[in-house]
Amino acid sequence: NAGVTQTPKFRVLKTGQSMTLLCAQDMNHEYMYWYRQDPGMGLRLIHYSVGEGTTAKGEVPDGYNVSRLKKQNFLLGLESAAPSQTSVYFCASSSTSGGSYEQYFGPGTRLTVT
Amino acid sequence: ELKVEQNPLFLSMQEGKNYTIYCNYSTTSDRLYWYRQDPGKSLESLFVLLSNGAVKQEGRLMASLDTKARLSTLHITAAVHDLSATYFCAVGTGTASKLTFGTGTRLQVTL
Repeated sequence: NAGVTQTPKFRVLKTGQSMTLLCAQDMNHEYMYWYRQDPGMGLRLIHYSVGEGTTAKGEVPDGYNVSRLKKQNFLLGLESAAPSQTSVYFCASSSTSGGSYEQYFGPGTRLTVT
Repeated sequence: ELKVEQNPLFLSMQEGKNYTIYCNYSTTSDRLYWYRQDPGKSLESLFVLLSNGAVKQEGRLMASLDTKARLSTLHITAAVHDLSATYFCAVGTGTASKLTFGTGTRLQVTL
């Protein structure tokens, strides 16, 4: 099992450009999440999904859109990148069985917006 | 709004010493998670605490949860250099168990 994978690992964008980050999980998890981590800070939730076709806003959703067309994939889009979106983005997934809702994280995508 | 506070933010300790990291949170929850992050890496799950009084131990690390005090602790026993990393606590809320993270404790274990 690959667990949670993210594509790409690194990206540099110019202000105003758009891009999509892809998260894939092979654990058949129902829940998926996108977080961002800024230097010296903990992670902050951007958007999350409790199932295929459903998404919801987290703590810092502005400037981002998401889609979950397939259970195993969760896409994060930046329509018009801004320097404030320079960050490391982590995807995570969790299962509803067992009751722990433990989240498993991907390796991260380091995004720089110039 | 849920607030999660960790202290200390930075901890330098000698090998062989003991220390405790504290995690306070502002609203009721019975799901508390501890993660480890090495520089430039992702988060590694250490402990999942799901009830008041829960205590879990793995090697030199022990985590506990007091939901009434809204406090979790991560105790380090006889620290070794390999424990050097940043440790995060996170509180889970809601049906999707969304995580709110603390700002992290950067632990440096010196020889």
